[in-house]
Amino acid sequence: GAGVSQSPSNKVTEKGKDVELRCDPISGHTALYWYRQSLGQGLEFLIYFQGNSAPDKSGLPSDRFSAERTGGSVSTLTIQRTQQEDSAVYLCASTLRLGSEAFFGQGTRLTVV
Amino acid sequence: TQLLEQSPQFLSIQEGENLTVYCNSSSVFSSLQWYRQEPGEGPVLLVTVVTGGEVKKLKRLTFQFGDARKDSSLHITAAQPGDTGLYLCAGDAGGTSYGKLTFGQGTILTVHP
Repeated sequence: GAGVSQSPSNKVTEKGKDVELRCDPISGHTALYWYRQSLGQGLEFLIYFQGNSAPDKSGLPSDRFSAERTGGSVSTLTIQRTQQEDSAVYLCASTLRLGSEAFFGQGTRLTVV
Repeated sequence: TQLLEQSPQFLSIQEGENLTVYCNSSSVFSSLQWYRQEPGEGPVLLVTVVTGGEVKKLKRLTFQFGDARKDSSLHITAAQPGDTGLYLCAGDAGGTSYGKLTFGQGTILTVHP
């Protein structure tokens, strides 16, 4: 596609349920990042994938969070047993190579009620 | 953990005024980026600065990277309502963290007609 695509745009879930957020990066981009953004705030790094290397998971806030990237393309961020503090906008970005310009998707707004 | 302190957090000005947003850290960054984000969208890259003391201009926007590569500023001349948005600085520490961005908290700019 022309840009980074994320789905769903909005997700409302009950506390304790699991959610999956999807990111389709720009074709050919080797690096993919997940960030979390609280209302009107900066971005908090979660995880990134670069080619076939092991992902950098250093930003994941707890073991309830996990992510995978299949076939070097689509990525899924999974949050298990969601809590109210997980409510935020989850942003995905891809770059042609590590360190090059990041292109962001429009984000998934997650609300845990 | 590297931190970027961004100030001010909120800025409300009249059309035609000038403004400066600051991004400061005690850590050195190999490069620093400025993004602009509109509601419901992901951040969009404005500029990347990589050399200490570097100054880049983008129309009415002037970006400066500190000599020691620990701080940066964004100056907008004659602000217009279209400049309204969330401005974010982000630093790349390089080395083993290359490509992983640390974001400031953001500055919400509102320009009134």
